[in-house]
Amino acid sequence: DVKVTQSSRYLVKRTGEKVFLECVQDMDHENMFWYRQDPGLGLRLIYFSYDVKMKEKGDIPEGYSVSREKKERFSLILESASTNQTSMYLCASSPTHYRLALNNEQFFGPGTRLTVL
Amino acid sequence: AQSVTQLDSQVPVFEEAPVELRCNYSSSVSVYLFWYVQYPNQGLQLLLKYLSGSTLVKGINGFEAEFNKSQTSFHLRKPSVHISDTAEYFCAVSPSQGAQKLVFGQGTRLTINP
Repeated sequence: DVKVTQSSRYLVKRTGEKVFLECVQDMDHENMFWYRQDPGLGLRLIYFSYDVKMKEKGDIPEGYSVSREKKERFSLILESASTNQTSMYLCASSPTHYRLALNNEQFFGPGTRLTVL
Repeated sequence: AQSVTQLDSQVPVFEEAPVELRCNYSSSVSVYLFWYVQYPNQGLQLLLKYLSGSTLVKGINGFEAEFNKSQTSFHLRKPSVHISDTAEYFCAVSPSQGAQKLVFGQGTRLTINP
């Protein structure tokens, strides 16, 4: 069964702290994504990765960075957390085109609710 | 670029009533369309998707959606809802070629009243 896991369901941090959110998928997917979800705004793409050590900015990358050292793991980093980064963070993965009939379906983890005080 | 508009932020309905959640999209290229559901305190789960072919798509839990290219819409319907359908529903679009990113709408919160 398809599985995407995230390291924490709930996280509370203080302003200025460095925060790591971890995501692991066991489906051998090439693509991985980080979104933040805010009421009334839907999901907005922060960063995505098509391959190991490869990353591309999404729509709202400011204040975030990512790391993909292994195919199954994609980390989101908040270098210096701020209160406006309080949000729900969702990780997703998908196989690349040649693996799954041009589908683009993404598989999501359960989310991490981050509160920055 | 693509964009998605979900026309209703909240939809309250009574149990066993029909429901329609509206989604309109904008794109200059051909697209794939998706509906995802998010139950309380969970991640997103795929309900159904339109890739090509028949414009009426059936998904899980009795939901269906109809792709209307001329109206650039992909509305989600269910003839009779249950309490367990209470959730947030997201419409999403991606180009059928090229980038594999999804663009999501703002979400519609469906509340089922007994």
